[in-house]
Amino acid sequence: GEDVEQSLFLSVREGDSSVINCTYTDSSSTYLYWYKQEPGAGLQLLTYIFSNMDMKQDQRLTVLLNKKDKHLSLRIADTQTGDSAIYFCAENRRGRIKAAGNKLTFGGGTRVLVKP
Amino acid sequence: EAQVTQNPRYLITVTGKKLTVTCSQNMNHEYMSWYRQDPGLGLRQIYYSMNVEVTDKGDVPEGYKVSRKEKRNFPLILESPSPNQTSLYFCASSFSATSWNTEAFFGQGTRLTVV
Repeated sequence: GEDVEQSLFLSVREGDSSVINCTYTDSSSTYLYWYKQEPGAGLQLLTYIFSNMDMKQDQRLTVLLNKKDKHLSLRIADTQTGDSAIYFCAENRRGRIKAAGNKLTFGGGTRVLVKP
Repeated sequence: EAQVTQNPRYLITVTGKKLTVTCSQNMNHEYMSWYRQDPGLGLRQIYYSMNVEVTDKGDVPEGYKVSRKEKRNFPLILESPSPNQTSLYFCASSFSATSWNTEAFFGQGTRLTVV
């Protein structure tokens, strides 16, 4: 994940908004993803954004993409205790390495702790 | 229920003792891959398979082998495990190996400790 970077930790109060940030380096990435990992579980796809979009909203989730700065963020509105998890951003680099199929390159993950 | 199943979920083994982690998906997916997750490094791809009998190295393949004899199964083999392979392993599958956007489904993970 060295080419996709995230901050390690975020603490937020229940009911507040959370913003998780991610930077990536590969400008050829076509899809960018946010995955959630709850303790002891696998990764669950939360949402994704196509690279020609600036914003995508899905219920409490808002994804913002700044292609110029290669910056992706995930905003969770009205954060709940059930949102405590590790969040990974990932990019699909297949555009550059076609033979590799749908390879995802992940950031290091941001651990979000929601305090009551 | 559509799922990716890994076994075992937890494994403690000794250096040099060959082991296999199984992965099976019931969604008729073409693409399967193995990742390892280490703190602060996210998930790194070990091996992937575009279809039956088609496998290739990912970013960190050293010390691992895979096979894809059937579409649904993609076992990860550690011929001679070493302590630096202590990690959390995830198998993933997706419908298409070539479509731009195809969701990856992950197994529950296998926590391996090599002593």
